[in-house]
Amino acid sequence: DAKTTQPPSMDCAEGRAANLPCNHSTISGNEYVYWYRQIHSQGPQYIIHGLKNNETNEMASLIITEDRKSSTLILPHATLRDTAVYYCIAKERAGKSTFGDGTTLTVKP
Amino acid sequence: GAGVSQSPRYKVAKRGQDVALRCDPISGHVSLFWYQQALGQGPEFLTYFQNEAQLDKSGLPSDRFFAERPEGSVSTLKIQRTQQEDSAVYLCASSLFGSGYGYTFGSGTRLTVV
Repeated sequence: DAKTTQPPSMDCAEGRAANLPCNHSTISGNEYVYWYRQIHSQGPQYIIHGLKNNETNEMASLIITEDRKSSTLILPHATLRDTAVYYCIAKERAGKSTFGDGTTLTVKP
Repeated sequence: GAGVSQSPRYKVAKRGQDVALRCDPISGHVSLFWYQQALGQGPEFLTYFQNEAQLDKSGLPSDRFFAERPEGSVSTLKIQRTQQEDSAVYLCASSLFGSGYGYTFGSGTRLTVV
């Protein structure tokens, strides 16, 4: 898996968009970008993934730069329940994922 | 079942005791993963099964750790002669092989070795 770099923590106001960055400058052509989040005392939850096109689902949007060296996870209207640790992973579709320490997002009222 | 089920939810073991942790993956999910998560850190890969075949066990920290999935469904992670450094949350995840839609994780087993 390509190494990813994320800020250790971020704050966001409730109702505003949360933009979580991830650097993956050594990503290879067949590696996807996956995002998971982990709420306290629960297992990680899959959010979204993409290869090179921007992706959107009911939870979030994923913006991948044209050179694929970085990406941003966007939570359009953050709520208090979005407070969690967010992990960015660059990997091939099958096989293990390498989690780093992630970004702790705190949504504040 | 609807999700990945792990049992027990909590386990306290005396140092030197053997423990067995169970994972029931989502029905039909071919791939199964075990992760270890220490307090304040991200999950660390332990081992990976595709059906009953253990394809990758590179993350198992020592020969005291053993995992099996004999019928390609339920999996058991066994830790022999537990040590204090084994205290962690053990997470199980499953996925459809090749689906690419990410894993579904269980809630984990919190192991405390005293």
